[in-house]
Amino acid sequence: NAGVTQTPKFQVLKTGQSMTLQCAQDMNHEYMSWYRQDPGMGLRLIHYSVGAGITDQGEVPNGYNVSRSTTEDFPLRLLSAAPSQTSVYFCASSYMEGPWYGYTFGSGTRLTVV
Amino acid sequence: TQLLEQSPQFLSIQEGENLTVYCNSSSVFSSLQWYRQEPGEGPVLLVTVVTGGEVKKLKRLTFQFGDARKDSSLHITAAQPGDTGLYLCAGRRGGSNYKLTFGKGTLLTVNP
Repeated sequence: NAGVTQTPKFQVLKTGQSMTLQCAQDMNHEYMSWYRQDPGMGLRLIHYSVGAGITDQGEVPNGYNVSRSTTEDFPLRLLSAAPSQTSVYFCASSYMEGPWYGYTFGSGTRLTVV
Repeated sequence: TQLLEQSPQFLSIQEGENLTVYCNSSSVFSSLQWYRQEPGEGPVLLVTVVTGGEVKKLKRLTFQFGDARKDSSLHITAAQPGDTGLYLCAGRRGGSNYKLTFGKGTLLTVNP
């Protein structure tokens, strides 16, 4: 089925560990983004990309890195996990032209940092 | 300051009741979208409204975009337990066709 695939679904990390959250889409969307969702805070944009080789920061980028070597993949790296990074992470993708296109979201990664 | 304010934050009603949730801003949006998010899943697009004053219907859900394109509402008629979820509005501002600004959402619970 076409869509956005995120792995893993759940992850527990110890403080200071690093890991990569994977995101892949098969809809040839130019735009891809990472959000974190916390109670009472809504969806907050971490990083986004408008095409292969092009990335930019969102509103909460500290502690996270991204790269986009292909149109399909947009991994999110946690460099040194902190308890404040405990959250649910969503990857989303979209076409870029026109107001009609919505975001297609993955099913999320629930991350706990202990 | 939240660019898109959603109200109410929480809503718990009985099956069969009608409800309206609101999405307000002081800024003008070129388009506005509504998403529904169920527990353990990502948000799913319900509708996009583009023209000021536009009304769209999706079965028992009615979406309206304000005349000035600064606000929107979602009305559900005869709510059912399957309508339970987090309803998010998201807007695109002029000059940025791909970046969406999200509200914090309205958490709706419909009790049988």
